[in-house]
Amino acid sequence: EAEVAQSPRYKITEKSQAVAFWCDPISGHATLYWYRQILGQGPELLVQFQDESVVDDSQLPKDRFSAERLKGVDSTLKIQPAELGDSAMYLCASSPAGLARPYEQYFGPGTRLTVT
Amino acid sequence: GENVEQHPSTLSVQEGDSAVIKCTYSDSASNYFPWYKQELGKGPQLIIDIRSNVGEKKDQRIAVTLNKTAKHFSLHITETQPEDSAVYFCAASNPLGGQNFVFGPGTRLSVLP
Repeated sequence: EAEVAQSPRYKITEKSQAVAFWCDPISGHATLYWYRQILGQGPELLVQFQDESVVDDSQLPKDRFSAERLKGVDSTLKIQPAELGDSAMYLCASSPAGLARPYEQYFGPGTRLTVT
Repeated sequence: GENVEQHPSTLSVQEGDSAVIKCTYSDSASNYFPWYKQELGKGPQLIIDIRSNVGEKKDQRIAVTLNKTAKHFSLHITETQPEDSAVYFCAASNPLGGQNFVFGPGTRLSVLP
């Protein structure tokens, strides 16, 4: 069964350092999402890609966060500099459909980030 | 924007009993409502979803009901088993209207053997 891959699974970093997360969606899925999940809460969308284009990054803190999906396949989310409040689970999800259909999203296992 | 509330925040049931989790949403334009199960240390897993053109959907021991007028939807798990223990999240969305998933805060379900 195809799955969304993420790495690393765990990351500990000091504040003010840079950190990056990688996601490989299910093959053929055109839409890719990055979410942040604070402990005890539901996931919150950071950015949505359709192929290589950003569709929605309204909730992405652009002063320190950046995301790219250069070839429309895998994606990288970066934080620079990391702050204590960035400690959370970072989830990647993918969806097979385009913008115009309400399709399912399939999540990866996440990257647990701890900022010290 | 959309706001999703979810109750209860924690739920304990005896094995074999039923469990019900309820969600309400604020945006009447929302038309797709998935439910996710998240086990410790894992990503959310889609377990069932419902679209606004139907009122109920079942898949073995799991069912979801939707009341568009009242803007609420519920997850029903029958004959619960210990492996049903997890955190469950509901979400509401309107992809055609550009509204991505808005998740509820989650319900921690414990099934006691």
